[in-house]
Amino acid sequence: DAGITQSPRHKVTETGTPVTLRCHQTENHRYMYWYRQDPGHGLRLIHYSYGVKDTDKGEVSDGYSVSRSKTEDFLLTLESATSSQTSVYFCAISEFPPGQETQYFGPGTRLLVL
Amino acid sequence: KNQVEQSPQSLIILEGKNCTLQCNYTVSPFSNLRWYKQDTGRGPVSLTIMTFSENTKSNGRYTATLDADTKQSSLHITASQLSDSASYICVVSGGFGGYNKLIFGAGTRLAVHP
Repeated sequence: DAGITQSPRHKVTETGTPVTLRCHQTENHRYMYWYRQDPGHGLRLIHYSYGVKDTDKGEVSDGYSVSRSKTEDFLLTLESATSSQTSVYFCAISEFPPGQETQYFGPGTRLLVL
Repeated sequence: KNQVEQSPQSLIILEGKNCTLQCNYTVSPFSNLRWYKQDTGRGPVSLTIMTFSENTKSNGRYTATLDADTKQSSLHITASQLSDSASYICVVSGGFGGYNKLIFGAGTRLAVHP
């Protein structure tokens, strides 16, 4: 998985609680991404980062926030989890801007919101 | 609307047989097209990438084709193996607002049976 780890790998939480997912890379790539994957849908971009403290919204960013204080770490926070946020979350990295080169994906975090 | 549609949704074949997966897209302007393989419980891994000028790209037993005129791509798997059982995702990159946006298909789930 190209030097990308995600934690936790599995999480069960209750509606209304805050949740933070962590993505850690050892490749020193500039760009980092958070996606969610749901049955019947392609991967959908939540947020991405183009450098330390530089982030932008993706197509499904409502209810999510991100932070990147170091090159190697990209955090995704669900401020108040809802059942619609039950999903598999993937972190990805790339050395160059989106689409210009292959993105490398982490192993995923499976989140269940009850 | 920029879309990537894959067919079939799922496919079952016998070990040793060939198969072809389809990807149709409406993304414009087009930059490149990638095929990813996603094993169960893992993140997607890139198989091939093709730009506008390329119409065939091989990676071992995987051969991807691209017809930019009809906006269609296919992934052909030769002499399938049990390890080919996975989801195959078509991803089209298009230039929007200064950077390339990735549009993911929902994937084709392939099961190879002995």
